[in-house]
Amino acid sequence: AQSVTQPDARVTVSEGASLQLRCKYSYFGTPYLFWYVQYPRQGLQLLLKYYPGDPVVQGVNGFEAEFSKSNSSFHLRKASVHWSDWAVYFCAVNTGGLSGKLTFGEGTQVTVIS
Amino acid sequence: EAAVTQSPRNKVTVTGGNVTLSCRQTNSHNYMYWYRQDTGHGLRLIHYSYGAGNLQIGDVPDGYKATRTTQEDFFLLLELASPSQTSLYFCASSSAETLYFGSGTRLTVL
Repeated sequence: AQSVTQPDARVTVSEGASLQLRCKYSYFGTPYLFWYVQYPRQGLQLLLKYYPGDPVVQGVNGFEAEFSKSNSSFHLRKASVHWSDWAVYFCAVNTGGLSGKLTFGEGTQVTVIS
Repeated sequence: EAAVTQSPRNKVTVTGGNVTLSCRQTNSHNYMYWYRQDTGHGLRLIHYSYGAGNLQIGDVPDGYKATRTTQEDFFLLLELASPSQTSLYFCASSSAETLYFGSGTRLTVL
């Protein structure tokens, strides 16, 4: 089955420290992958998306992600976390082709401490 | 900037009640979606549509109906609400495989 797994339900990070959020996918063929962010009491917003090509993708607010076909992974990184990064982060894979239908992972809650 | 507006923001109903959640997008996107968000499950697709009059079944459709009346408007209907449908519901529209989400409707079924 096509799916996405985010193994870390919660991550706590100090402001200014680096952040990595893990995402593993299961997909037959070449996946189109996404990271979305949900700030408190808001809907989801796109952080970045991967289409086949360069495995490292740059997103907004200093985020980047790296695609690995051999590891079936699409991990999200940020070099220096800011308090405003306190949010829930979702990894997703396109499972509907042109319909844009996405299958989401469970989400990772990021808490930033000073 | 894509705009997706959901109403109401919050809704409380009783078991067996009839609920309609509304969604309007103002960017002429073809595709619209209804997702529910539950802790430990992420977002799960209920129904989606690629235009007025069209409806596609998602991954968790049981207990839900949906109707796309115009290019802009997509409704989610719970005709006999159950406590298991207590959730946060999101509507989205898409352009070039990027989804634009509304702010959500929190539904509580007592």
